Amino acid sequence: QSVLTQPPSVSGTPGQRVTISCFGSDPNIGTNFVYWYQQLPGTAPKLLMYRNDHRASGVSDRFSASKSSTAASLAIIGLRSEDEAEYYCATWDDNLSGVVFGGGTKLTVL
Amino acid sequence: QVQLVQSGAEVKKPGASVKVSCKASGYSFTAYAIHWVRQAPGHGLEWLGWINGGNGYKKLSRKFQDRLTISRDTSANTAYMDLSSLTSKDTAIYYCARPLTGANPPDGFDLWGLGTMVTVSS
Repeated sequence: QSVLTQPPSVSGTPGQRVTISCFGSDPNIGTNFVYWYQQLPGTAPKLLMYRNDHRASGVSDRFSASKSSTAASLAIIGLRSEDEAEYYCATWDDNLSGVVFGGGTKLTVL
Repeated sequence: QVQLVQSGAEVKKPGASVKVSCKASGYSFTAYAIHWVRQAPGHGLEWLGWINGGNGYKKLSRKFQDRLTISRDTSANTAYMDLSSLTSKDTAIYYCARPLTGANPPDGFDLWGLGTMVTVSS
């Protein structure tokens, strides 16, 4: 069981907008920055978003993220086939004194 | 070229230990921490711990603190992850990663190694 809860899967058609949610609690998302990673099959994760809503270097502006209270979300507009990947949220948990990840969300582009 | 180069795949017997290395290049090793993250086949990401490249401070996940050792050799710009008492549940890809900054709590990981596959099998 992950400390952060993500939907196992989301899907969309090319050009659509999709969102991926990440639910936590006060000791983690409620208190600390949220980060988002994209992992293409067979590759290492790639940092997409940092400190809640900042795009990492080289990341398309089709990606955006936000945080409110103990929840965060990642939005992708103008969906493309190359966006098909696993997406993870992450943050620090003050109670566990460690980095925690969501369980991951598989994005399928139909 | 800024990169983290990890050691090669390992196959271990249950009960054995494994040591994975992560060599940094293209940046100041002592200016950043190195974190270790693993991913079991078909599963998500799991954080193991980190070591500060400069002062050697370590923080380990409570789940692994009894059998995980993280170390560094500043002369070789290399960090190490040593996991003991291996079981089949430790079969995973082990990644090293560098955070964006030296912030505490840690910042996001913007540089990753390619991963080291560790297989535990009798």
